[in-house]
Amino acid sequence: DAGVIQSPRHEVTEMGQEVTLRCKPISGHNSLFWYRQTMMRGLELLIYFNNNVPIDDSGMPEDRFSAKMPNASFSTLKIQPSEPRDSAVYFCASSAGGVDMNTEAFFGQGTRLTVV
Amino acid sequence: GQQLNQSPQSMFIQEGEDVSMNCTSSSIFNTWLWYKQDPGEGPVLLIALYKAGELTSNGRLTAQFGITRKDSFLNISASIPSDVGIYFCAGGDGSSNTGKLIFGQGTTLQVKP
Repeated sequence: DAGVIQSPRHEVTEMGQEVTLRCKPISGHNSLFWYRQTMMRGLELLIYFNNNVPIDDSGMPEDRFSAKMPNASFSTLKIQPSEPRDSAVYFCASSAGGVDMNTEAFFGQGTRLTVV
Repeated sequence: GQQLNQSPQSMFIQEGEDVSMNCTSSSIFNTWLWYKQDPGEGPVLLIALYKAGELTSNGRLTAQFGITRKDSFLNISASIPSDVGIYFCAGGDGSSNTGKLIFGQGTTLQVKP
């Protein structure tokens, strides 16, 4: 398996523009997680899905952020409108889900977002 | 909410030295995972622990799941320059049955050749 695939790897956009980050989880995994990493706040869980259904979005900073998972092999994280404080590295991770042996999450390489 | 306290925040050591880092929490976790992140990459899973008291090794790495289920440590023996990176602990409570993990703040390790 190719692992978790994220695109783009880097994104530079102007304040106010819409940004869409994409993720393809590992085939067969049924949990998908979006994280944001900054120097100040470390790794923050934004939202996670199980079987394509959003389970907990309490980490989403505000209404400008939205995430979808239309099928088991694809998810998007959208920021609209983007602001400079959204600049961070965004990671997608997937796991088989469930208790015990299935909590091992595998991360993509991340998308480095810069909003100017 | 659940939080993990990871220490130390950073370490600067000489090649060949042993390293120890730990995570503690006020909450009980059913699984503990340790990850390493290299610059410009995503975190990579090093060791997974599933039972209280469990001691697991992976090469020069050794990790233990605390008996109270509220803490874990990671040891690296005979450090080498490629051990440089950020190490994260993560706890899974299993209650959600979805694999949700809570991450520590990370320990940045620098190794001087």
